Amino acid sequence: AQKITQTQPGMFVQEKEAVTLDCTYDTSDPSYGLFWYKQPSSGEMIFLIYQGSYDQQNATEGRYSLNFQKARKSANLVISASQLGDSAMYFCAMRDYTGRRALTFGSGTRLQVQP
Amino acid sequence: SAVISQKPSRDICQRGTSLTIQCQVDSQVTMMFWYRQQPGQSLTLIATANQGSEATYESGFVIDKFPISRPNLTFSTLTVSNMSPEDSSIYLCSVGQGREQPQHFGDGTRLSIL
Repeated sequence: AQKITQTQPGMFVQEKEAVTLDCTYDTSDPSYGLFWYKQPSSGEMIFLIYQGSYDQQNATEGRYSLNFQKARKSANLVISASQLGDSAMYFCAMRDYTGRRALTFGSGTRLQVQP
Repeated sequence: SAVISQKPSRDICQRGTSLTIQCQVDSQVTMMFWYRQQPGQSLTLIATANQGSEATYESGFVIDKFPISRPNLTFSTLTVSNMSPEDSSIYLCSVGQGREQPQHFGDGTRLSIL
């Protein structure tokens, strides 16, 4: 069975600073994908970034980067130059490629960006 | 990426009634998923909606309570039956295009039961 752990229920960051949101995972499948989603207070789920288990390089998408450490089973999200609009819930999720195709989500981290 | 239209966006219902949520995708997709997000919680998969066959339900969710239809490759419905206040949640549909592609979500249905 898959499991995603996000140990930070809430985080604060000053505007323009970088922040790291932690995510560890557990799976017995050799092939899987890791995803980060942002959920603002309006409720929609916004896809941010994807990392495949066989990708050699860490994924980057604009101000978002994923610090993927396969041996440690961690997939931390780094947001650079935080903006007030980054205040939201952030969910780490994974999907294996051998079984069901749905996502397993972590419990989420609420990020608040302070001016 | 697929554009997903979900409706209603929100509703307030009386206990004991049922509500059907619709999910329309602008392209054909093999897999559609329904998730529930209870207040302050993460997302939990209810079921995978398969075209041409019955939905596959996760542990703790049953067809009598959450019947799902998937008449074609672009549309699905989720019905929340005999609602109680514990069913107050956000319900989200999602589609997956390929194994290395992100799942995209509809905007969700905020459901409150009085």
